[in-house]
Amino acid sequence: EVQLVESGGGLVQPGRSLKLSCAASGFTFSNYGMAWVRQAPTKGLEWVATISYDGSSTYYRDSVKGRFTISRDNAKSTLYLQMDSLRSEDTATYYCARPRRRVSFAYWGQGTLVTVSS
Amino acid sequence: DVVLTQTPVSLSVTLGDQASISCRSSQSLEYSDGYTYLEWYLQKPGQSPQLLIYGVSNRFSGVPDRFIGSGSGTDFTLKISRVEPEDLGVYYCFQATHDPPTFGGGTKLELK
Repeated sequence: EVQLVESGGGLVQPGRSLKLSCAASGFTFSNYGMAWVRQAPTKGLEWVATISYDGSSTYYRDSVKGRFTISRDNAKSTLYLQMDSLRSEDTATYYCARPRRRVSFAYWGQGTLVTVSS
Repeated sequence: DVVLTQTPVSLSVTLGDQASISCRSSQSLEYSDGYTYLEWYLQKPGQSPQLLIYGVSNRFSGVPDRFIGSGSGTDFTLKISRVEPEDLGVYYCFQATHDPPTFGGGTKLELK
């Protein structure tokens, strides 16, 4: 069974950093690209970033480029999102998600809440 | 960026009724390989989103056949025949044909 478990969320001041993790199990992690999707409180879904299966390619939405870094450790079956220079508008629940052939987000974690506030 | 416009924003139904949600794209979602990367997700209250439909009309494993996706180009529809209590929540369409990938604004399905 595919399992994705996010962690690392919390309350952080504007301008500070936070690193999220997503522990994967139930599949061969190194075979799949992975993504982060977020959802601001009471708002809709928003794609954040994607990484290729081997980490060689990364993609970001414009609003986080230069501030967020997606990475992975295939030996640990773990996905990361390093978030720097956080802004209030980054406040959201962050989900990690795994694709399937021709499907962007076939499996989702339970999410971790990031609150950026002074 | 591609804008996906979902209508209605909210939909009140009686259990057993049919529900229909529209998703209109600002650009054609047919990719150069002929595939259309249009998906539908359902987010039940307090839960993570879950995949319902991919490639316009393909149901994901375990999704009941009362969920039917259709459409092409820029106009897409999700129909739910015989709405059941577990179908309530917010439905999102999503496109991955164009970068960046984008979601629709969501349609809340609730009981009348």
